[in-house]
Amino acid sequence: EVQLVESGGGLVQPGSSLKLSCVASGFTFSSYNMHWIRQAPKKGLEWIALIYYDSSNKYYADSVKGRFTISRDNSKNTLYLEMNSLRSEDTAMYYCAKSRYGYWGQGVMVTVSS
Amino acid sequence: DIQMTQSPSSMSVSLGDTVTITCRASQDVGIYVNWFQQKPGKSPRRMIYRATNLADGVPSRFSGSRSGSDYSLTISSLESEDVADYHCLQYDEYPYTFGAGTKLELK
Repeated sequence: EVQLVESGGGLVQPGSSLKLSCVASGFTFSSYNMHWIRQAPKKGLEWIALIYYDSSNKYYADSVKGRFTISRDNSKNTLYLEMNSLRSEDTAMYYCAKSRYGYWGQGVMVTVSS
Repeated sequence: DIQMTQSPSSMSVSLGDTVTITCRASQDVGIYVNWFQQKPGKSPRRMIYRATNLADGVPSRFSGSRSGSDYSLTISSLESEDVADYHCLQYDEYPYTFGAGTKLELK
């Protein structure tokens, strides 16, 4: 059974940093591209980043480019999202998703507030 | 960036209705459109991939279609479990972009 489990969220102050993790199981993690998608409260979905299966390519939404970094450790079956210079508008539920979006994690909440 | 203009933003529906939700792409995205269903407090669920393909386990009353730059999700004979939010996504060009979402509500 495919499982994606996010962690690392919480309440942080504007300007601070946070690193999210997504632990994958039930499939060959190293063979699949992975995504981060977020959803601000009462808002729609926003795709924010993609990393290729071998980390050879990474793509970002304009809203996070230069502040967020997607990475992965295939030996640990784990996807990461390092978030720097956090802003109030980054407050959202953050989801990881497998390749073609057939599987999503349960999400982890990030709240940026003073 | 490619804009996905989704309409309507909300819709009041009755059980048994046929419901159609549309996303218009601001430029050609080919067949690379997915549709997702999302219920309150839950993660999105992929319903349609590559514009017209039914995802595994999705009831056959759901269908996807394309006409030019317009992509539609149709639910035939709406059931209570279909009342949810729906989102389209284009994944033809980076950055990938979602529509703003459609909320279905029972009359």
